[in-house]
Amino acid sequence: DGGITQSPKYLFRKEGQNVTLSCEQNLNHDAMYWYRQDPGQGLRLIYYSQIVNDFQKGDIAEGYSVSREKKESFPLTVTSAQKNPTAFYLCASSISGRGETQYFGPGTRLLVL
Amino acid sequence: AQSVTQPDIHITVSEGASLELRCNYSYGATPYLFWYVQSPGQGLQLLLKYFSGDTLVQGIKGFEAEFKRSQSSFNLRKPSVHWSDAAEYFCALSSQGGKLIFGQGTELSVKP
Repeated sequence: DGGITQSPKYLFRKEGQNVTLSCEQNLNHDAMYWYRQDPGQGLRLIYYSQIVNDFQKGDIAEGYSVSREKKESFPLTVTSAQKNPTAFYLCASSISGRGETQYFGPGTRLLVL
Repeated sequence: AQSVTQPDIHITVSEGASLELRCNYSYGATPYLFWYVQSPGQGLQLLLKYFSGDTLVQGIKGFEAEFKRSQSSFNLRKPSVHWSDAAEYFCALSSQGGKLIFGQGTELSVKP
């Protein structure tokens, strides 16, 4: 089955700790995205990548970092600089990143201890 | 500035009644428009999309949407709502570089 997987489903972060959220797709899509969802605020773009070894900041990139070493993988690291990390994080992918449909993973909920 | 507005934060309808969820957008050119649905704690599922052509778009689960350029709207409709339609609905437009701009979402509750 083709799709997008995210792990873990729940993640707990201690103060000062960096944590990494996994996103993998087997759709052979070039473009991948990370969104943050907070209640009542819709989804906001954190980072996106249209090709391997290249990525761009979205609207709320501060306190986050990404890498794109493989086409199928786009991990997101929430660093200790992100002071309010509690949210639902969604990964998505699209064929080329030129406006076509984005397909979403099941999400990871990050909670702060 | 590019933006998407969903004026209704929460809507309640009776099962079997018709539904219309509003979406207004601001964009300099003809946008690519999408409606997604999200069940609690889940990812987003695409309901339908508008790229060009026929302004009335059919989607999955019996949903449709109409693109009205003069009103900058892309409202979602369903003639008869089922209890399983209770979820949050997001309207989005695709901006330069393929980035999606989302509305704040409309939560739909269905009364038995």
